[in-house]
Amino acid sequence: DGGITQSPKYLFRKEGQNVTLSCEQNLNHDAMYWYRQDPGQGLRLIYYSQIVNDFQKGDIAEGYSVSREKKESFPLTVTSAQKNPTAFYLCASITGGETQYFGPGTRLLVL
Amino acid sequence: GQQLNQSPQSMFIQEGEDVSMNCTSSSIFNTWLWYKQDPGEGPVLLIALYKAGELTSNGRLTAQFGITRKDSFLNISASIPSDVGIYFCAAPDKYSTLTFGKGTMLLVSP
Repeated sequence: DGGITQSPKYLFRKEGQNVTLSCEQNLNHDAMYWYRQDPGQGLRLIYYSQIVNDFQKGDIAEGYSVSREKKESFPLTVTSAQKNPTAFYLCASITGGETQYFGPGTRLLVL
Repeated sequence: GQQLNQSPQSMFIQEGEDVSMNCTSSSIFNTWLWYKQDPGEGPVLLIALYKAGELTSNGRLTAQFGITRKDSFLNISASIPSDVGIYFCAAPDKYSTLTFGKGTMLLVSP
């Protein structure tokens, strides 16, 4: 089946630790996106990539980093510089039109 | 950045009732999207609107693209318990990055 997968479903981070969230898609979509969701707020854009080996900062990129070495993969690293990382992280992809399709999300918790 | 103002923030209704929610912006958009998010899951696209004045249905859901291109409405008729969730409006910019409203939480009592 085609779709977007995110792993892990839950992730725990210790103080000062970097963690990486995985996002994979087999939809042959060109563009991929990372969003952060906090309770009572809409989704906020962290980073996006429209083609391989290229990515752009979104509205809240500080404390995060990404890479896009393959079309299918767009991992997000939450660095120790992100002081409030507890949130639900959503990956999305798109091709052609403007309707984005989302993965199931990763919930990050700080120990 | 652009902002979408979504209302109401939450709704608690009885099964069988109709529901209306809306989204407004000070900016003009060429596309309006409506998503539903179940608890702990990613948003799922419900309806996409591409033309001002357009009225589109998906089962019991109907959405409209406002004639001014600055607003959109979503209606759910004859609500059922599985309609529970958070409904988001969203609109893309020229790079296809989405701006989201803050969501409307819908609770349906059996």
